[in-house]
Amino acid sequence: AQTVTQSQPEMSVQEAETVTLSCTYDTSESDYYLFWYKQPPSRQMILVIRQEAYKQQNATENRFSVNFQKAAKSFSLKISDSQLGDAAMYFCAYRSPRGDMRFGAGTRLTVKP
Amino acid sequence: SAVISQKPSRDICQRGTSLTIQCQVDSQVTMMFWYRQQPGQSLTLIATANQGSEATYESGFVIDKFPISRPNLTFSTLTVSNMSPEDSSIYLCSVVLNSGANVLTFGAGSRLTVL
Repeated sequence: AQTVTQSQPEMSVQEAETVTLSCTYDTSESDYYLFWYKQPPSRQMILVIRQEAYKQQNATENRFSVNFQKAAKSFSLKISDSQLGDAAMYFCAYRSPRGDMRFGAGTRLTVKP
Repeated sequence: SAVISQKPSRDICQRGTSLTIQCQVDSQVTMMFWYRQQPGQSLTLIATANQGSEATYESGFVIDKFPISRPNLTFSTLTVSNMSPEDSSIYLCSVVLNSGANVLTFGAGSRLTVL
């Protein structure tokens, strides 16, 4: 079964600075999708960014970008120019072609003013 | 995007009772899932809700405890049966839209507290 590992239970960043959240996964499949979701205290899961495994180019969404290393099975999230509203739990997720999605344990991001 | 309505948003339940959570989507979806998020934990997949047939359960989850219905393409229910305090969690409905580009969209969740 696929597993997703987030080795950083908590991270902290100064406002306007850059932070990188780590994620690794284990799979024997060649075709899959990777995601980062954000969960603020409201508990609503919000999609931050997604990456298709067949694409070599790293996905970017405004201040959010990923470093996707398929051979290393690594999928880190970089947040640039951090804002107070970025404070939340961040979950890395793996979705197989069958459709089910597995989540990592999460990283709690604190943004200091 | 789609609007996913989940209710109740929260409830306090007595041990031994059962509660049904409803998930309504405002557009047709290809796949619907139910997740559990225990306090301070990540999301764990309970089951895939299959339209017109029995749900597909993940290891550790059984139909007697978590019966699921999906009578059509836009609606599903999850029942938490014979509840114990260990069932206190957030339960989330999630869907993949027909045009969702493989993205999982979540409802706001139902927070259950079992006394």
